[in-house]
Amino acid sequence: NAGVTQTPKFRVLKTGQSMTLLCAQDMNHEYMYWYRQDPGMGLRLIHYSVGEGTTAKGEVPDGYNVSRLKKQNFLLGLESAAPSQTSVYFCASSYSIAGERDTQYFGPGTRLTVL
Amino acid sequence: GENVEQHPSTLSVQEGDSAVIKCTYSDSASNYFPWYKQELGKGPQLIIDIRSNVGEKKDQRIAVTLNKTAKHFSLHITETQPEDSAVYFCAASIRDIQGAQKLVFGQGTRLTINP
Repeated sequence: NAGVTQTPKFRVLKTGQSMTLLCAQDMNHEYMYWYRQDPGMGLRLIHYSVGEGTTAKGEVPDGYNVSRLKKQNFLLGLESAAPSQTSVYFCASSYSIAGERDTQYFGPGTRLTVL
Repeated sequence: GENVEQHPSTLSVQEGDSAVIKCTYSDSASNYFPWYKQELGKGPQLIIDIRSNVGEKKDQRIAVTLNKTAKHFSLHITETQPEDSAVYFCAASIRDIQGAQKLVFGQGTRLTINP
């Protein structure tokens, strides 16, 4: 049981390049989330999904797109990377069962640098 | 929207002493308040949480208190040990109509336990 995994662990992009971050979970969780973490600002929610085929905007969605084609995977895309998107990105997942769905389990993160 | 303030940003205590971290939130509709511990190079891990219908919760050396009237909640760690050294984040959340918990995080507290 690997929990939540993220690919890649590190990436360096040039301004204007695109990339996709992959999040995978093997806990059969319905809900999945993408956050970014910047120094001194805690984590901020980018997008989230309440099930396969669904996505919704979080606190800071601009410049990002997401897709949830399979229940176990949640992809975060940057179409045209900007230096302001330099950050550490965390994926999380949780159950949908009442009483169990509040705990979010986080992956190890992807450190992205945009030059 | 919700805003969470966390203090202090850094905290240094002697091993065996207690540590207290405080957070305030702005949205009275928030009903879930988790605390996460983040070690260097890892994703956040839930250590304790509290819901708005409870005033206090304890788990061994860790306790959380919630004052809904004043809109603040606190993390208390007693008998601190070197392995408690980490960054701690508080969060507040409102469950959306589909059941997802959209967490808003505080800025984090770097706790150092001195031997």
